[in-house]
Amino acid sequence: SQTIHQWPATLVQPVGSPLSLECTVEGTSNPNLYWYRQAAGRGLQLLFYSVGIGQISSEVPQNLSASRPQDRQFILSSKKLLLSDSGFYLCAWSRTDEAFFGQGTRLTVV
Amino acid sequence: QKEVEQDPGPLSVPEGAIVSLNCTYSNSAFQYFMWYRQYSRKGPELLMYTYSSGNKEDGRFTAQVDKSSKYISLFIRDSQPSDSATYLCAMGKGGSEKLVFGKGTKLTVNP
Repeated sequence: SQTIHQWPATLVQPVGSPLSLECTVEGTSNPNLYWYRQAAGRGLQLLFYSVGIGQISSEVPQNLSASRPQDRQFILSSKKLLLSDSGFYLCAWSRTDEAFFGQGTRLTVV
Repeated sequence: QKEVEQDPGPLSVPEGAIVSLNCTYSNSAFQYFMWYRQYSRKGPELLMYTYSSGNKEDGRFTAQVDKSSKYISLFIRDSQPSDSATYLCAMGKGGSEKLVFGKGTKLTVNP
């Protein structure tokens, strides 16, 4: 069966520090991969999605970036965090239809 | 007009009530429809998936799709306190097209 791992679960980082969140998927190949951010009362905001290695589409211009170095690995990064980057970050994968989510990373930038 | 509209609630019902959650959409290209349940501080989990117009039942949950009206619903029968969560609708066009999510409806079932 397929599983998705996302870590860390919580993270507190100072403003201006770098960020690296990692997501890996097991039990499937060539998945579509997604990074979402969820703010209270504002729903899921799609940040990046990828249909293959090295193929990244950005939905929202900001100081975040994503990379897909391997088929089942998706990384969300920032060189310098802003206060406004605080939120709940979710990784997800899909093949063609349903998407499956990781358990999320709650990022607090202080 | 937004692609997907979902009433954010919040919705509060007594235990045992029938709950109706709804989404409307504007793009007729959407072919498949999902409902996710998200507990506080957790990732969304897939609850129901439907591909065609009509009803799909799974235990106490029924998903309904009306493509002609561009309207989908999730019904919860005999609601339980454990059903208290945020429910998100989602829909997709297939292939590598990304999913589109509603903003979620927060449901509280009171014992």
